[in-house]
Amino acid sequence: GAVVSQHPSWVICKSGTSVKIECRSLDFQATTMFWYRQFPKKSLMLMATSNEGSKATYEQGVEKDKFLINHASLTLSTLTVTSAHPEDSSFYICSAPPSGANVLTFGAGSRLTVL
Amino acid sequence: QQQVKQSPQSLIVQKGGISIINCAYENTAFDYFPWYQQFPGKGPALLIAIRPDVSEKKEGRFTISFNKSAKQFSLHIMDSQPGDSATYFCAASWGGGNKLTFGTGTQLKVEL
Repeated sequence: GAVVSQHPSWVICKSGTSVKIECRSLDFQATTMFWYRQFPKKSLMLMATSNEGSKATYEQGVEKDKFLINHASLTLSTLTVTSAHPEDSSFYICSAPPSGANVLTFGAGSRLTVL
Repeated sequence: QQQVKQSPQSLIVQKGGISIINCAYENTAFDYFPWYQQFPGKGPALLIAIRPDVSEKKEGRFTISFNKSAKQFSLHIMDSQPGDSATYFCAASWGGGNKLTFGTGTQLKVEL
């Protein structure tokens, strides 16, 4: 079946540093990937749509300069949290639709803790 | 209009019982309604999904009931098991796209 892999699964960083999270589609190509943010015991909030070869589309209220998204290839999208602060601590989840499928496969998520 | 309202927020069911989670939406353009199951520290996994041209879909112990006129849909888990204890999210999308709007989630606990 379609697999989406995220790395790292958890990361702890100091305030002010930048953190990169990778999302890979392992056995399919994805021209589009989606990045979600989830707070503890809360729902998933769509942050942005990552588009291969072009700029990401951000949802209203999401800071483009804070959350940099790059979709460099058909199997890799990255989310970089720049100048991270404690309020950026969250669970970040990516997803992608396998080719021809109207279904989303989600990664296992990446837990970011900013000290 | 993009909201999907989900209830209850939490649910405790005895083993063997039926778990019922409800969702309601406003946007009549929604045409795809999946349910996701999420265990702590993991990403959501697709459980079952339905389109508005059918009123019910069953896969094993999981059934979606869909009421187009009321703009409501629900998940029924029959013979609930402790292993079903997880958070369940309903979601909706439209136009064949994959941009999902998620409900607020229901934390299910199945007790022995």
